[in-house]
Amino acid sequence: GAGVSQSPSNKVTEKGKDVELRCDPISGHTALYWYRQSLGQGLEFLIYFQGNSAPDKSGLPSDRFSAERTGGSVSTLTIQRTQQEDSAVYLCASSAGTSGHEQYFGPGTRLTVT
Amino acid sequence: TQLLEQSPQFLSIQEGENLTVYCNSSSVFSSLQWYRQEPGEGPVLLVTVVTGGEVKKLKRLTFQFGDARKDSSLHITAAQPGDTGLYLCAATQGGKLIFGQGTELSVKP
Repeated sequence: GAGVSQSPSNKVTEKGKDVELRCDPISGHTALYWYRQSLGQGLEFLIYFQGNSAPDKSGLPSDRFSAERTGGSVSTLTIQRTQQEDSAVYLCASSAGTSGHEQYFGPGTRLTVT
Repeated sequence: TQLLEQSPQFLSIQEGENLTVYCNSSSVFSSLQWYRQEPGEGPVLLVTVVTGGEVKKLKRLTFQFGDARKDSSLHITAAQPGDTGLYLCAATQGGKLIFGQGTELSVKP
């Protein structure tokens, strides 16, 4: 079966522009996560969707970041008015359970803000 | 302050050597996971340890969970160039993963 897919794989954008990053989780997985990985910062949690529950947005760094998950499947992470410090690899993961264990990661989207 | 402290951050060794990576915390966890990440890819789960004192083996990799469930170690025996990558420990907190900073391992032939 297909794993987690993300698009685009690379995105270069100008400072101040909005970007949308897409994640297609493994079919049937109820939980979906977004993480950000940057040099010197490691891998940091951004947002977590579990079924129909309200998402856990506690990791979003500012109100320029938002995410939605439509139909319990595909998710889009939107960054408005991008800044150079937003440059990073954005990783999506999904899992079948509610414990957070056994997360399966996509290959990531490398975002570069010029 | 990192919830999970990994050491060392960088490790460069010759093929055939043994190595140990450590993951420490002041917090108690119900479980802890180890992931391996290669360039351009997402992390891949290697193992989950759940019980204090637990030891799990995956070929040449040995994972141990501390008795107090605050720390873990990853030992690689006779490292191979294919072991090169970023090793991450992670713990679940409120349904999400908290990661250590990672250990960048380079195994030279």
